[in-house]
Amino acid sequence: GQQVQQSPASLVLQEGENAELQCNFSSTATQLQWFYQSPGGSLVSLLSNPSGTKHTGRLTSTTVTKERRSSLHISSSQTTDSGTYLCALNYGSSGNKLIFGIGTLLSVKP
Amino acid sequence: NSKVIQTPRYLVKGQGQKAKMRCIPEKGHPVVFWYQQNKNNEFKFLINFQNQEVLQQIDMTEKRFSAECPSNSPCSLEIQSSEAGDSALYLCASRGTGGNYAEQFFGPGTRLTVL
Repeated sequence: GQQVQQSPASLVLQEGENAELQCNFSSTATQLQWFYQSPGGSLVSLLSNPSGTKHTGRLTSTTVTKERRSSLHISSSQTTDSGTYLCALNYGSSGNKLIFGIGTLLSVKP
Repeated sequence: NSKVIQTPRYLVKGQGQKAKMRCIPEKGHPVVFWYQQNKNNEFKFLINFQNQEVLQQIDMTEKRFSAECPSNSPCSLEIQSSEAGDSALYLCASRGTGGNYAEQFFGPGTRLTVL
């Protein structure tokens, strides 16, 4: 079946440093979303980026479809960025369910 | 950014008890999804609906869960007889009418603990 792999599994940064998170997938997808999950569990959609480059605030996502990979760049990290970042893909099958990676746990120290 | 509402936030049940959770999707979103996230961060798709009709569900859901999305009422997911392995975060999501390209937006989840 379709697989989504994320790296690194965890990342520790000092406030102000940049973060680069990776997502590799086994086959091209119709839709790709990056999510942030707070320690309390709430899942927030950050970017929807099935191909190309998208920006929002301090976040930039680049998806290279033919290479089956996507990255999420966080610039000037803040302590409030700490949490889990999840990559999820929709392959357009019935109902368009999402297939999730395990996530990258980001910890930003003051 | 999400307006998906889930209740309750926390649920504690004994083994064999029923566990029911509810979800109100974003207004105008015709498709609703339920996912289970275990303690290892693994997500499992459970079931989805388009309007009131089931689109797809996994075998476990069909056998052990009762789910519905009636019109003008919250969607619900109920475990008929809770097991220890059902302890997890249950997430509800909805998406709009953009078809395959539509984003999914999630509620805060219901964290179920089965004692």
